[in-house]
Amino acid sequence: DIQMTQSPSSLSASVGDRVTITCRASQTISIYLNWYQQKPGKAPKFLIFAASSLQSGVPSRFSGSGSGTDFTLTISSLQPEDFATYYCQQSYSTPYSFGQGTKLEI
Amino acid sequence: EVQLVESGGGLVQPGGSLRVSCAASGFTFSSHWMHWIRQGPGKGLVWVSRINGDGRRTDYADSVKGRFTISRDNAKNTLYLQMNSLRAEDTAVYYCTRDQLTGSVGFDFWGQGTMVTVSS
Repeated sequence: DIQMTQSPSSLSASVGDRVTITCRASQTISIYLNWYQQKPGKAPKFLIFAASSLQSGVPSRFSGSGSGTDFTLTISSLQPEDFATYYCQQSYSTPYSFGQGTKLEI
Repeated sequence: EVQLVESGGGLVQPGGSLRVSCAASGFTFSSHWMHWIRQGPGKGLVWVSRINGDGRRTDYADSVKGRFTISRDNAKNTLYLQMNSLRAEDTAVYYCTRDQLTGSVGFDFWGQGTMVTVSS
């Protein structure tokens, strides 16, 4: 099974900051990497697929990059509504594993 | 508008059974793989199972294999998860998710979740 590791586990930032979250796979997964945002008590929201493709309706301040085993999610200018927990997920093979999450706090 | 509405969660004793359902609307249900994903209290997301559009292909996480069964009724636009031999560690919010139709797997729509609590 493929293990996904995110860093950091938590991150404090301010409105307007640029932040980067890292995700590492235990084996190469090409570009089969997705990102999700989850707010407390809500279902996750699909942000990015295939490492760098923005899902329809997601603001352009979100971007993703990487391939192989190392990936990043970048938020170029944090907005108040971006404070949430972010998860990466590999779609290379079942079981489709998630990272442990990165909690982005004010 | 795509909608996924789960139901059937509740409190069940260890060793018991429960079936959760997901009513889908707003898209061609039979065209999409569907998945169940769960999240334990205060924990991260865990993929549980998937099923293809005609219901003939299924896959499971090792932790539920042999105990859980995923199925679908395309005439009713409904996804199911039959859970048997439940354990305390199965306690979680269970989300029904739709797989996007692009070349790579991605969970583009999620239900609101249904809570399953396994406790005596």
